[in-house]
This record gives sequence, structure tokens and C-alpha cells, in this order.
Amino acid sequence: DSGVTQTPKHLITATGQRVTLRCSPRSGDLSVYWYQQSLDQGLQFLIQYYNGEERAKGNILERFSAQQFPDLHSELNLSSLELGDSALYFCASSVALAPGELFFGEGSRLTVL
Amino acid sequence: QKEVEQDPGPLSVPEGAIVSLNCTYSNSAFQYFMWYRQYSRKGPELLMYTYSSGNKEDGRFTAQVDKSSKYISLFIRDSQPSDSATYLCAPMDSNYQLIWGAGTKLIIKP
Repeated sequence: DSGVTQTPKHLITATGQRVTLRCSPRSGDLSVYWYQQSLDQGLQFLIQYYNGEERAKGNILERFSAQQFPDLHSELNLSSLELGDSALYFCASSVALAPGELFFGEGSRLTVL
Repeated sequence: QKEVEQDPGPLSVPEGAIVSLNCTYSNSAFQYFMWYRQYSRKGPELLMYTYSSGNKEDGRFTAQVDKSSKYISLFIRDSQPSDSATYLCAPMDSNYQLIWGAGTKLIIKP
């Protein structure tokens, strides 16, 4: 158990809909990262937050947004969903700004029909 | 061209064999090199990391970096069925972001 909790584990929704994925980092970790993993794309970095502030952006679509709350949990919002958004979404946390060791949750599997 | 290239496999070897997993990269500024292991339906977990060129050993695992050729290797000795997983290499860039390879799926046959 990495100590990172992600909910929901599975989500099935329709195109055009909006979903929110939730992540609770390990106790004491200030950095939260979001990744998308699909079969043909590997692990794609989306966005990083550190202590409530956005620190780095990767290949995150404009339809996607995220935030980190004062209690350090984070949410990833995906809107106007398309079939191609079906993927495994991972949250990871680390204690510092630089990743060092990332601790990953078990992921949220999103299926868009 | 991707910054980090990794053969997706699958690589299938018999139990007890020595396994060699490899990555190449294009950015000569990379200094830290991570190896993560991902079991099916689980999140990746850090296996080991190295700094700059050289070798690092941890039990049955050895990580090797050759910066002159921009080549990263992970060796597994006495491979076990429990080593069956996807192995991802991930150098760290100057912005402290991990640049992920696509991962190599490894299958150890009993």
C-alpha cells in the first residue's frame, strides 16, 4: 500500500459528460501529480501541484483541469469527455517539489462510451 | 523522436535467467535516472535510481547508466515469476520532471 488513495477505482460514462477524480496523497507529501496511462501512449504527465499551487503542466488538455485543496487532496476534472479519454488516471505524491520517489495510487479507470 | 525510447516487449524469459532491460534517451542534461516497476492493474513503484554514469546494485537488481551513449540498463539476476511486470525507465529533466519511457513488459516463465 503506497498510502495514496484514489477514488473512484472505476468509472463508466458517456461522451460529452464530466467527471471528477479524487486523490488523497500520502500523509506529509506536499506534491501531487496526475498522469494518464493508455495502451498506446504510455504514462503521460498531466499536471503537478505543490502545497496548493500549480507547479508544472504537461500534456493536459484544456477540457481537463485540476486543483489541490488546503488539506492537500487533489481533484482532476475531465469535461466534454471523448472516447479517446478512456484511460487509467494515476495520482502520485512526493514529499518535496522535485519528484525523487513518487508514490502512486492504484489509479482510476475511466471508460467513455 | 521521443525523449526516452524503450522497447515495449513483451520480453519472455525462463525463471532463473538474467534479464536485461534497456532505454535510450536524447537529452544529455539528464542526471538522475529512475526505474519503476508496474504490476498489472497497479500503480508504478520505484525500484531504484542512479545518479549520472555508473552502476548501482540492490539485491538481484543492477542499474547501469552510460551517459556517453545515452543508454540506461536494468539487469535482473536469478529472475523470478514475481518479477513479471512492466518496467519503466524515467530520467529526470532539469525542471525535476520525470520523462517516462513506454515501459517494457517482462514475463518470467516458471
